Amino acid sequence: EAQVTQNPRYLITVTGKKLTVTCSQNMNHEYMSWYRQDPGLGLRQIYYSMNVEVTDKGDVPEGYKVSRKEKRNFPLILESPSPNQTSLYFCASSPGTGLGNTIYFGEGSWLTVV
Amino acid sequence: EDQVTQSPEALRLQEGESSSLNCSYTVSGLRGLFWYRQDPGKGPEFLFTLYSAGEEKEKERLKATLTKKESFLHITAPKPEDSATYLCAVRLVGDKIIFGKGTRLHILP
Repeated sequence: EAQVTQNPRYLITVTGKKLTVTCSQNMNHEYMSWYRQDPGLGLRQIYYSMNVEVTDKGDVPEGYKVSRKEKRNFPLILESPSPNQTSLYFCASSPGTGLGNTIYFGEGSWLTVV
Repeated sequence: EDQVTQSPEALRLQEGESSSLNCSYTVSGLRGLFWYRQDPGKGPEFLFTLYSAGEEKEKERLKATLTKKESFLHITAPKPEDSATYLCAVRLVGDKIIFGKGTRLHILP
């Protein structure tokens, strides 16, 4: 089954403790991205990657890092999480950047930083 | 500044009462406009992609249209199971994607 898989789905952590949210897709997609969703603010793009070793900042990259060493994986790294990073995070992928490339989303990761 | 605005923020309809959701955009270099449906606690589910003004797409009770400055999602004779948040997003030249804040749709039986 074609899917985007995120882990963990739910996490409570403390301020300053480094964490990684993994994202994996099994569709051989070139384009992957991370979003956060907050009440009243909608979905905002954090980082995106058009291919292996190619990443770019979205609208809200501060406090986050990403890497794209393999095509299927795109982890989101919070080096020193803060309470304002408490949010619902979505990973997404699409075949490429051309017209007609549907974006598929994972089920989301609920992150709470206390 | 690139911007996507959806209206209304929330909409309550009776079952069978048709209506339209709006997505207006001010962007440079539009590559495509997407509509998604999102249920509470779930990831967005793809509905439509539109590329050029005048384009229309349909799926069951939903029909999406696009002009140079806005898109409409028309819902005909909705059912309670159509209740969800509907999200509009634009893909820009350079492949950045911007989402609107969504319209929460509630269909009353």
